[in-house]
Amino acid sequence: GAVVSQHPSRVICKSGTSVKIECRSLDFQATTMFWYRQFPKQSLMLMATSNEGSKATYEQGVEKDKFLINHASLTLSTLTVTSAHPEDSSFYICSAREMNTGELFFGEGSRLTVL
Amino acid sequence: AQSVTQLDSQVPVFEEAPVELRCNYSSSVSVYLFWYVQYPNQGLQLLLKYLSGSTLVKGINGFEAEFNKSQTSFHLRKPSVHISDTAEYFCAVSIRNSGNTPLVFGKGTRLSVIA
Repeated sequence: GAVVSQHPSRVICKSGTSVKIECRSLDFQATTMFWYRQFPKQSLMLMATSNEGSKATYEQGVEKDKFLINHASLTLSTLTVTSAHPEDSSFYICSAREMNTGELFFGEGSRLTVL
Repeated sequence: AQSVTQLDSQVPVFEEAPVELRCNYSSSVSVYLFWYVQYPNQGLQLLLKYLSGSTLVKGINGFEAEFNKSQTSFHLRKPSVHISDTAEYFCAVSIRNSGNTPLVFGKGTRLSVIA
């Protein structure tokens, strides 16, 4: 099956720094990628929809200046958490929609810990 | 807007016993339905999906689900569970034939299989 790779899988950073998480579709092209956030023992909450070549669409309550999303190519979307704070610590998961079939595939997730 | 309700947050069950995880959805338009499994600190793995056709859908690891349009349900079942089935299970819905819409997830059900 199609593979979506997220990197890094785990990252620890100091408060105030910025962290970039990559989401790559390894064997298919994805015009649309979605970024989710998951708090411990909770469900996935959609943060934003990332479309190749255009600005991301953010869900209500998600700060677009804090969570910068770039979808520069058909196989790569990045989420940058700027000026990270401990409350940004979470599990971030991306999913990519295969361009031809429309099927969704999920990455393995990235766990961010902000000290 | 679509919504998904997973009625049980936790389901304990003895090994080799049958299990049903309940999922109800709400939508004013036709939808696709999905079940995902998440093991600790990992991403989501697709168990099965209903797109069209037969209402009984068989997935991986011996799971199956039945789409019931009149009851707006998509309950997940397994006739005999194993210890390795212990995980978090998410029901999700997306709008039929709409390329850019994300999945909307339920809150999840934690299945604990007891030896």
